[in-house]
Amino acid sequence: EVQLVESGGGLVQPGRSLRLSCAASGFDFDEYAMHWVRQAPGKGLEWVSGISWNSGKIGYADSVKGRFTISRDNAKNSLYLQMNSLRAEDTALYYCARDILAAGVFDCWGQGTLVTVSS
Amino acid sequence: EIVMTQSPATLSVSPGERATLSCRASQSISRNLAWYQQKPGQAARLLIFGAFTRATGIPARFSGSGSGTEFTLTISSLQSEDFAVYYCQQYNNWPPTTFGQGTRLEIK
Repeated sequence: EVQLVESGGGLVQPGRSLRLSCAASGFDFDEYAMHWVRQAPGKGLEWVSGISWNSGKIGYADSVKGRFTISRDNAKNSLYLQMNSLRAEDTALYYCARDILAAGVFDCWGQGTLVTVSS
Repeated sequence: EIVMTQSPATLSVSPGERATLSCRASQSISRNLAWYQQKPGQAARLLIFGAFTRATGIPARFSGSGSGTEFTLTISSLQSEDFAVYYCQQYNNWPPTTFGQGTRLEIK
């Protein structure tokens, strides 16, 4: 069974950092591009960042560029999101998602980890 | 950045009837368009990609059409489990990829 499990969320003060992790299982992780998508409370979906299978292609939404860093460890079947200089508007449920086409189509999602940025 | 606009924001339809949801791109995206369904408290589920290709396990009552800037998701005969929020997403040469703001499909 394909499974994605996010962790690392929590309550953090503005300006601080947080690192999210996504543990993948049930598929060949090193064959897929992966992404982070977030959803603020009561709002829609927002793509945050994506990374190709070999980390050769990486992209960020303008709203997080320069503050967030995506990475992956194929040996550990894990995806990461390092979030620095956090702002209140980064408060959201963060989903890890698998890309079936290496083009930004997300066929499998985790259940999300909640990040709350507040003083 | 390509902006995706969905309409209507809320659609009220009776079970068994047809629902038609629209999505417009601010510039041509060919057929690089996906549709997702999201129910309360759940992650999104991929329904359609490539504008009209159903994802694995998606019932045939879901169909997609369109190309360029205008797209449609049609649910031919609404079942109770279909009432949810639907998002379109363009993935024309990510990054970035962008979602529409969503259409809430509710029971009439």
